Order: sequence, then C-alpha cells, then structure tokens
Amino acid sequence: EDQVTQSPEALRLQEGESSSLNCSYTVSGLRGLFWYRQDPGKGPEFLFTLYSAGEEKEKERLKATLTKKESFLHITAPKPEDSATYLCAVQSRLSGNTGKLIFGQGTTLQVKP
Amino acid sequence: GAVVSQHPSWVICKSGTSVKIECRSLDFQATTMFWYRQFPKQSLMLMATSNEGSKATYEQGVEKDKFLINHASLTLSTLTVTSAHPEDSSFYICSATKEGGTGELFFGEGSRLTVL
Repeated sequence: EDQVTQSPEALRLQEGESSSLNCSYTVSGLRGLFWYRQDPGKGPEFLFTLYSAGEEKEKERLKATLTKKESFLHITAPKPEDSATYLCAVQSRLSGNTGKLIFGQGTTLQVKP
Repeated sequence: GAVVSQHPSWVICKSGTSVKIECRSLDFQATTMFWYRQFPKQSLMLMATSNEGSKATYEQGVEKDKFLINHASLTLSTLTVTSAHPEDSSFYICSATKEGGTGELFFGEGSRLTVL
C-alpha cells in the first residue's frame, strides 16, 4: 500500500534558524513526489515536483531533495512568513495519468521573530 | 498560470439540506478534477476523481449517493452534498491537472461547509 509519513508533526523555529522537514514514502513505482504549502483555511499551494533520486529543486529559502525512500524540504534562514503547514504527496506509476496523489499528514512550521 | 477557483468559499446550511460547491479551472482545461476533504489538523483525504463527461470514481468508504459529482465541461466540476448532516461539516478542496501537463495538481482555495 502506498504510504507517506511526514516528520516532525510540528516544528517551531526562531527566525534565521535553518532546519529540515522529512517525508518518508513507500510507493509502487514513484511517478512524482510533490511538496505543497498550506496556509490556514486555504487550499494547498504548489511548491515543487521531484521525479528521481538525486534530484534537487530550490525556490527562495526552500530546497527540496529526493532519495529512493524519502524527501527533505530544507528551509534556510526562515522568516515568520514561512510559517505554514507543508504537505508532501506522492504519485504512483500505477495511477497512470490520473494525477491521483497520496498525501502525508503534514508538518506545521511556526517561525518566531 | 494555473488557477483553480472554488465557490462558495464558505457555506452554512441546515441539517437535511443540499449544498453545491463549484470548482472551475480559470486559465486551463482540466481533463481530471479531484475532490478532497480535510478535517481540522488532518491531511487531505481524496474523495473522488472526476473526468469530464464520465462518471466519477469514488474512493473506498465515500458514499456516491451522498456526494454527487458532476464534471460537465473541461473547466467545471461540481460537488453536491445531499441531505447534509453535522458530520459532513468539513473543508472541501478541489484540484485539477492540466490537460497535457506533467501531473501537477493545482488546488482551489477550498470551501468550508458548516452544517447546523
């Protein structure tokens, strides 16, 4: 069964304190791994897609990496506006072109000034 | 861009009534749209997958007669919660993939349903 586990569940950082969020996954052939940001009461906002082990992508203070078993979202020198819930999701090759995603529980990040 | 719009963003209804939520892809054609449900402090749970012009595919445990999904065009899908009860109160989010795209999902802003 395809499964996604994120850790930690919650993370509190001081502004400027870098850290990483983890996403461990088991999937029947990975088609893609996705990172989303979700603010309270809003829909998820797309951040990155990673397709193969060793791939990395960056956007401002965020950098996502991928191995065969997990993905990390590194946050460098975070700011209070980075506070949000970060969701990881995987898409299986068995889902074909349906786009079906399996989501993790998310990591809620709070960055204090 | 890839903008997905949901309406209404929040709705309050009485128990036993039906509520319709619309999901539109504003600047692209969406072959497939998805409906998710999210309870407080929980992740997104896929309810159903809808393809334009065909019947929706429901996930296990989701009542298709209660959650009616219609995907009438490449830019519009609707979710109707029939005979709503307080336990149906939740945050409903739709998403869509671009026709010919790379599989990325673009999400709407979500619709908060409160059933009294």
